[in-house]
This record gives sequence, structure tokens and C-alpha cells, in this order.
Amino acid sequence: NAGVTQTPKFQVLKTGQSMTLQCAQDMNHNSMYWYRQDPGMGLRLIYYSASEGTTDKGEVPNGYNVSRLNKREFSLRLESAAPSQTSVYFCASSRGPLDEQYFGPGTRLTVT
Amino acid sequence: KNQVEQSPQSLIILEGKNCTLQCNYTVSPFSNLRWYKQDTGRGPVSLTIMTFSENTKSNGRYTATLDADTKQSSLHITASQLSDSASYICVVSAAIGGFKTIFGAGTRLFVKA
Repeated sequence: NAGVTQTPKFQVLKTGQSMTLQCAQDMNHNSMYWYRQDPGMGLRLIYYSASEGTTDKGEVPNGYNVSRLNKREFSLRLESAAPSQTSVYFCASSRGPLDEQYFGPGTRLTVT
Repeated sequence: KNQVEQSPQSLIILEGKNCTLQCNYTVSPFSNLRWYKQDTGRGPVSLTIMTFSENTKSNGRYTATLDADTKQSSLHITASQLSDSASYICVVSAAIGGFKTIFGAGTRLFVKA
């Protein structure tokens, strides 16, 4: 059981470039989430998918899009990266929306 | 406004000592409260989860308490070890038109030898 995996681990982008962060879970969880974590701040929800086939905006969705490809995979896309999107991104999954969330190892993104 | 506030922001203790971290929340209607431990450079890992009817829950040397009336929770760490050095995050979930999960900013704990 790998749990929640994320790729890549590190990424450096130039302003305006695009990229997709990948996330997969092997726990048969229904719900999946994307967070960003900035120094001195709590994790902030970008988007979530309560179940396969649905996605909803979280607290800070601007500049991002998501795709729930299937039950296992939930990707996050930055269409035109900005320096304000420099952050550590975490993917998480849970059995249901109120259940314990299991986190991936994170992706450290720097936008110059 | 739904908020989760943690104190202190950071804490330094000697190995073997006990400590207590605080969490106050205004999230409503309350569904559950969780404490997570986040080691540097890694994702958070759940320590405890409590629902409205639970007052205390333990996980080894970690004991969480909850007072739903005053909307306060604490995490007590007994006989600290160097490996307890991490951030501890209080997370409150509420059933508001679906669900909402609010993360506190965390308490950064440093355990020194």
C-alpha cells in the first residue's frame, strides 16, 4: 500500500508556464483534496472532490483547475503560473468528506 | 466567521518534559476535531479524532481533550522525545451546506536534548 503519492516532488516554473501536479491513492477512498501550505499559515483548500465525478472549489481556487480522472487519481493544473503560487502543495484523500484525511508527501513549487 | 486558532505559535521544551498545546475554534455546526502531526518536509499525519460527544482520546503519549461547550481543545504530550519535534495542527470539520474543514496554522514544537 503506497497510500497517497504525488509527482513531482519539486518543480521550478517561470511565470506564465503551465504544469499539472499528479496525485493518486490506492486506499479506495471516495474523497480527494488539494491544499497549499505557505509559511506561517494553515493548509488552505484549493479544490476537492467529494466523490468520483464531482469537483468543487475550496477556499483559494483562483488560478487552478482540477480533474478527477477516476477514483484513484486527482490532478491539479496551473494554466499560467504566477509567483504568488509558489508554495508547497499537498494532495489528500479520505473515505468520506468528514473522515480522516491521508496526505501525500507534497510538491514544492517555485515560480520565478 | 469559521476560524481555528492555535497557541502557542512555537514552543521549546527539554526532552522528557510534558507540554500542552491549545486550540480554540469558532467553527459551527461542529462535526469533529482532529489533531495532526507534521514533520518537516512531510505531509500531516493524524494523531486523534474526536466527535462532539467525546471529551478525551489518547494515542500513546498523546492525549487530546475537547470541550465542545467552550469550543476548546488541547493536545498533551507526555515525556517528550526528540522525535516529537514537529508542527501540530488542529483541524475542525463542520457540516455546513455539505462539509467544511478548517486547518489551524499549527504549533511548532522543538524538543531539545
